[in-house]
Amino acid sequence: EAQVTQNPRYLITVTGKKLTVTCSQNMNHEYMSWYRQDPGLGLRQIYYSMNVEVTDKGDVPEGYKVSRKEKRNFPLILESPSPNQTSLYFCASSLSGASGTRQETQYFGPGTRLLVL
Amino acid sequence: AQKVTQAQTEISVVEKEDVTLDCVYETRDTTYYLFWYKQPPSGELVFLIRRNSFDEQNEISGRYSWNFQKSTSSFNFTITASQVVDSAVYFCALSGPDQTGANNLFFGTGTRLTVIP
Repeated sequence: EAQVTQNPRYLITVTGKKLTVTCSQNMNHEYMSWYRQDPGLGLRQIYYSMNVEVTDKGDVPEGYKVSRKEKRNFPLILESPSPNQTSLYFCASSLSGASGTRQETQYFGPGTRLLVL
Repeated sequence: AQKVTQAQTEISVVEKEDVTLDCVYETRDTTYYLFWYKQPPSGELVFLIRRNSFDEQNEISGRYSWNFQKSTSSFNFTITASQVVDSAVYFCALSGPDQTGANNLFFGTGTRLTVIP
């Protein structure tokens, strides 16, 4: 089954304790992206990746890191989480993310609900 | 800059009523795409429709229909004969090439639809 998976689905942690949220897709998609969803703000992009070893900042990258060493995986790293990073996080992927091509639909993972105390 | 406005924060309707969710967008691009996603209470994001800027034909899928009007920069979503299962948060999103050439998604803040039995 074609899908985007995220782990963990729920996480409670404390301020300053490094954590990683994994994202994996099995559709051979080139483009992957991370979003956070907060009440009243919709979804905002954190980082995205056009392909392996190519990543770039979205609208709210502060406090986050990403890497894209393999095509299927795009982990989100919080080196020193703070309470303002409490949010619902979504990973998404699409076949391509390049302009000039037919815009492919982004498919989303199930979400990771993070609480930072 | 890309911007999507969903002015209706919350809407409640009685089952079998029709309801229209508004979406207004801003972009300087001539080529762009518009999307609607549904987020049911379970939290996942479900893709509903994609529209490119050159195709202004309205689309109907069962009880769902979409009205794209470039003249008013709107992409409204109508649910006919609403059902309780339509209760969800609905997001409108816009994508178009940014300065890096990536087609990133910009979301509105969402409209929470409650269908009362």
